[in-house]
Amino acid sequence: NAGVMQNPRHLVRRRGQEARLRCSPMKGHSHVYWYRQLPEEGLKFMVYLQKENIIDESGMPKERFSAEFPKEGPSILRIQQVVRGDSAAYFCASSGTGSGTEAFFGQGTRLTVV
Amino acid sequence: RKEVEQDPGPFNVPEGATVAFNCTYSNSASQSFFWYRQDCRKEPKLLMSVYSSGNEDGRFTAQLNRASQYISLLIRDSKLSDSATYLCVGNTGKLIFGQGTTLQVKP
Repeated sequence: NAGVMQNPRHLVRRRGQEARLRCSPMKGHSHVYWYRQLPEEGLKFMVYLQKENIIDESGMPKERFSAEFPKEGPSILRIQQVVRGDSAAYFCASSGTGSGTEAFFGQGTRLTVV
Repeated sequence: RKEVEQDPGPFNVPEGATVAFNCTYSNSASQSFFWYRQDCRKEPKLLMSVYSSGNEDGRFTAQLNRASQYISLLIRDSKLSDSATYLCVGNTGKLIFGQGTTLQVKP
């Protein structure tokens, strides 16, 4: 049973380009979380999704950022027109149903904007 | 006020010491709690769930006090390999992480 898979592991983009980060949850998990971590800082909640639904996007910047979790395929975090401040590690976690269910993390995507 | 607060440390302790971390939460609707461990530039890994009745796993003991709204983690006989950042997590319908407490175990 594979764990949470994120790709790419490292992504370099020039300012103004688009970044697409993918997350495949653990088998049987239908909940996905995205977090951003800047160097030397803690994990910041971005968005919480279930299949085909955004449950909570209160941590998402109002512009340029979007997320989806389609019925088929991985969850996608999309950043349009990237800026240097978007450089960070982006972690995805998945969990099963139920509020007490533990979440498991992917290895993250490290985005560098040059 | 942050939803989940931790003392960032660092906690510097010698091998074999017992160390305790506390974490407070502000949302009384929080339904469940966890401790995660994060090593430098790696993904967080689940350490243990936290129950009101207490939870022990080897050298690690976690406790939840709902009346005072705090969670604790006790590490006994600390090892060099315990050096990491320990993250307190509350679940209010979404997982909210504290900023983490850094532990450095010295020889």
